[in-house]
Amino acid sequence: DSGVTQTPKHLITATGQRVTLRCSPRSGDLSVYWYQQSLDQGLQFLIHYYNGEERAKGNILERFSAQQFPDLHSELNLSSLELGDSALYFCASSPPAGARTEAFFGQGTRLTVV
Amino acid sequence: AQSVTQLGSHVSVSEGALVLLRCNYSSSVPPYLFWYVQYPNQGLQLLLKYTTGATLVKGINGFEAEFKKSETSFHLTKPSAHMSDAAEYFCAVSGSSGSARQLTFGSGTQLTVLP
Repeated sequence: DSGVTQTPKHLITATGQRVTLRCSPRSGDLSVYWYQQSLDQGLQFLIHYYNGEERAKGNILERFSAQQFPDLHSELNLSSLELGDSALYFCASSPPAGARTEAFFGQGTRLTVV
Repeated sequence: AQSVTQLGSHVSVSEGALVLLRCNYSSSVPPYLFWYVQYPNQGLQLLLKYTTGATLVKGINGFEAEFKKSETSFHLTKPSAHMSDAAEYFCAVSGSSGSARQLTFGSGTQLTVLP
């Protein structure tokens, strides 16, 4: 158990809908990262939050947004869903000790868009 | 900019044989390098990491990797494969500066261990 909790584990929804994925980082970790894992794109970095502030953006679509709340949990919002958004979405957290520390990954949320 | 190339999307070895998974990276800044393992329907678990210091790093489950700057490589090895090593392995790189802490992953190598 990495200490990173993601809910829900599975999500099935229809095209055009909006969903929210939730992530609770490890106790004490200030950074939260979101990654998408799909068969055609592999593992891709989406966005990084540090103590409530956005720090870096990767290949995140405009239909997707994220935020980190004062209690440090994070939510990834996916809207106007398309079939191609079906993927495994991972959240990871890391401590504030600098870049040399590793990221700890949650179990992921498997999103299926039908 | 950073990138990772994992040579061989599928590797098969016999139980007890040497495991060698190849990873080459590209980075414009001194890299931090990681190997993660993913078992079916699970998240990513860190096997080992290189940040600074000793270039031969040892990880969990008997795995080790050597950072070779001249070859821009970080290959993962294990002397003797076990059936439980069957999984997908990802090499990843991050920058050493605070603004580049996110991971860039390779495409992964699926390891099959044959009895």
